[in-house]
Amino acid sequence: QSALTQPASVSGSPGQSITISCTGTSSDVGSYNYVSWYQQHPGKAPKLMIHNVSNRPSGVSIRFSGSKSGNTASLTISGLQPEDEADYYCSSYTSSSTLVFGGGTKLTVL
Amino acid sequence: EVQLVESGGGLVQPGGSLRLSCATSGFTFSTYWMHWVRQAPGKGLVWVSLVSGDGTNTNYADSVKGRFTISRDNANNIVYLQMNSLRAEDTAVYYCARDRLVYAGNDYWGQGTLVTVSS
Repeated sequence: QSALTQPASVSGSPGQSITISCTGTSSDVGSYNYVSWYQQHPGKAPKLMIHNVSNRPSGVSIRFSGSKSGNTASLTISGLQPEDEADYYCSSYTSSSTLVFGGGTKLTVL
Repeated sequence: EVQLVESGGGLVQPGGSLRLSCATSGFTFSTYWMHWVRQAPGKGLVWVSLVSGDGTNTNYADSVKGRFTISRDNANNIVYLQMNSLRAEDTAVYYCARDRLVYAGNDYWGQGTLVTVSS
């Protein structure tokens, strides 16, 4: 159950787009469309932003989108806003019928 | 309104036990799988355990298997995490979370309860 691999940090200016990658294996990300993305502000509980690779829950901005290619999933945030500054985590279902999270990515809006 | 409220955290000595509770409301509890996820201070999210809606299916992270037990009371809409043989590395905020549709993302989370394992 090794954690999925995410970059430790990414940054962008307001209005720009950024992409956060999430690399797993053929035992998790590569084999199932059960990839989710979460946003977490300091001291707060995580918030679901994307489920099933590319689906946005009701109420989540259309600026957030998800995709997957092979063993790597990606979260793209377009039109960066100051309130997007947060930690982002991916998660995936695994072949052991468990879940695994990524190590997290700190997004800084410059 | 969907609500999840964890309780039961606190300070415990290494080797000790603690039972966390997650009281829920605002949805048909028995139809949803539930998860526990933890976050050590300053660290990332780590999945801990899950239980199916009827309580018959459970699973655990390797790091807690054999020490932690998840269960649920569908009559009272509560999910539990019994934690035994606690170690310093179990120190974390523990969140309960609702699974929107069996591994399809956790759409509601509690505020978390802090467990500190220290002598």
